[in-house]
Amino acid sequence: AQRVTQPEKLLSVFKGAPVELKCNYSYSGSPELFWYVQYSRQRLQLLLRHISRESIKGFTADLNKGETSFHLKKPFAQEEDSAMYYCAAPETFGSGTKLNVKP
Amino acid sequence: DAMVIQNPRYQVTQFGKPVTLSCSQTLNHNVMYWYQQKSSQAPKLLFHYYDKDFNNEADTPDNFQSRRPNTSFCFLDIRSPGLGDAAMYLCATSRDHAGDGQFFGPGTRLTVL
Repeated sequence: AQRVTQPEKLLSVFKGAPVELKCNYSYSGSPELFWYVQYSRQRLQLLLRHISRESIKGFTADLNKGETSFHLKKPFAQEEDSAMYYCAAPETFGSGTKLNVKP
Repeated sequence: DAMVIQNPRYQVTQFGKPVTLSCSQTLNHNVMYWYQQKSSQAPKLLFHYYDKDFNNEADTPDNFQSRRPNTSFCFLDIRSPGLGDAAMYLCATSRDHAGDGQFFGPGTRLTVL
């Protein structure tokens, strides 16, 4: 069975600091991995998918098959990045990490 | 704007009283999903429809049923809600499969008294 683990429930950083939200997975076959974001009082929305290798809102995520990880990174956090972030593969979700960016 | 709509946003029911949650979409996506999310937990897939084909997750209780009368609408029926069924219920769609990325509704928060 697929499993997605997000080890941190809460991550607090100061504005301008780098951010790394961790995601580890166990997956049979070729993994399909995603990051979803939920801002306060808004619905879950797709942030990134691993196959597109894109950068959205300054966030990137690289699939590391050797470490079975798909960590989400941003070099300089902004206050508007404060939200709940979920890693998914693709119908199996992690329990989420709340990112709090302090001014 | 094309979107996923869930009604009602808040639903209160009594223990054992059947309840139906509604989801509609204007995206014309083939796949519709229902997730259950309890506080501080991951969204958990209950089942999904690919067009009219129903796919139940192995550990979804029989108490949960679903209907998809047409492309746009999908319903979640809880036949006899228990206190443990209190949760946020999320509807999502994707074009052909979850690997396309999913579009979520705002959720319905179910309270069981």
